[in-house]
Amino acid sequence: GQSLEQPSEVTAVEGAIVQINCTYQTSGFYGLSWYQQHDGGAPTFLSYNALDGLEETGRFSSFLSRSDSYGYLLLQELQMKDSASYFCALTGTASKLTFGTGTRLQVTL
Amino acid sequence: SQTIHQWPATLVQPVGSPLSLECTVEGTSNPNLYWYRQAAGRGLQLLFYSVGIGQISSEVPQNLSASRPQDRQFILSSKKLLLSDSGFYLCAWSSIAGGGYNEQFFGPGTRLTVL
Repeated sequence: GQSLEQPSEVTAVEGAIVQINCTYQTSGFYGLSWYQQHDGGAPTFLSYNALDGLEETGRFSSFLSRSDSYGYLLLQELQMKDSASYFCALTGTASKLTFGTGTRLQVTL
Repeated sequence: SQTIHQWPATLVQPVGSPLSLECTVEGTSNPNLYWYRQAAGRGLQLLFYSVGIGQISSEVPQNLSASRPQDRQFILSSKKLLLSDSGFYLCAWSSIAGGGYNEQFFGPGTRLTVL
């Protein structure tokens, strides 16, 4: 099967940079996705890495290293509204997602 | 633009009662459709996915079933609910365009409590 591990909680100050790590075990996948979920809300798509390297989308960047079974999400210029849970997910056929355990990010003043 | 609807938003049901949750998508054709369940404070678990009408794939053995009677309608059902069926149920869709990865768009979810 597949499994993904993330830190359960991360705290950072407004304006700072934070990195959320994701390690995974799988026999095969198409890419690594990142989703954001605010309390009580639905997940929303942030980023996708099909290939190794860095993908940048505004304040958010995501990285993948297939050889290390590792990825991360980098959030820059943190804002209070970034306080949410962040999930990495392995993408399979039919764009199916296997989600990680999730990281709760708390942004403080 | 595309929209995904789920109802009801919240539901409280007794153990042993039946369940029917409905999800509909507007503004797209032949989407891939998915049902996920999220336990409190946990990640999302894929329950079912569908690549076309009448085509349902189950990801985990469980007390639930899914059906896709129309192209943009996805239904999650149970004949007899268990306490362990409580959770936040999310429907999602993705486009099949391009042949590669397509992001998933999630509905607002149904919060189910089984008592």
